[in-house]
Amino acid sequence: EPEVTQTPSHQVTQMGQEVILRCVPISNHLYFYWYRQILGQKVEFLVSFYNNEISEKSEIFDDQFSVERPDGSNFTLKIRSTKLEDSAMYFCASTGPSRETQYFGPGTRLLVL
Amino acid sequence: AQTVTQSQPEMSVQEAETVTLSCTYDTSESDYYLFWYKQPPSRQMILVIRQEAYKQQNATENRFSVNFQKAAKSFSLKISDSQLGDAAMYFCASPAQGGTSYGKLTFGQGTILTVHP
Repeated sequence: EPEVTQTPSHQVTQMGQEVILRCVPISNHLYFYWYRQILGQKVEFLVSFYNNEISEKSEIFDDQFSVERPDGSNFTLKIRSTKLEDSAMYFCASTGPSRETQYFGPGTRLLVL
Repeated sequence: AQTVTQSQPEMSVQEAETVTLSCTYDTSESDYYLFWYKQPPSRQMILVIRQEAYKQQNATENRFSVNFQKAAKSFSLKISDSQLGDAAMYFCASPAQGGTSYGKLTFGQGTILTVHP
């Protein structure tokens, strides 16, 4: 069964460093999303991406964040200069043309020291 | 703002018994889907069940079923014959309001389910 994959599974970085989180959505899906979950809190929407551009973003998704689909398979989230409060689980999700169900990847656990 | 409310931070159930997790939501959409996701200690988000709002019949997936009350905007999850592997955090999710939304989901705060042997 097709699934969303994410790499790395864990990332530890120093405050101020740039990180790139990678996702490979399900191959025939068209809509892509990033969510984050701070430990002990609910899952929060960051950004949605369709047709090679951001379709919607939340207040959390400030200038430090960017997304890209550099080729036909990968979907990346870049945090330019990480802060302590960026420590969280980051989930990628994708959905097909009808946008019925979002399938989530296993997440990347980011720890900023 | 879109809200999804899970009023039970924690629930517990004995193995083999039935438990119901509550969720209410707020949306102005007419056609939409509602979801329950399970998050075990690994923190992966696993789709448990999906309900299509225009269908009157409640969705069922093996031991999991929903009680969908559209007018009340209520969407509860019933787990029958609970198993130890059902222990996890459960999140209810609904689509954001507005026709321009590209399907982003709003999640509830989650309910931690403990299953006692």
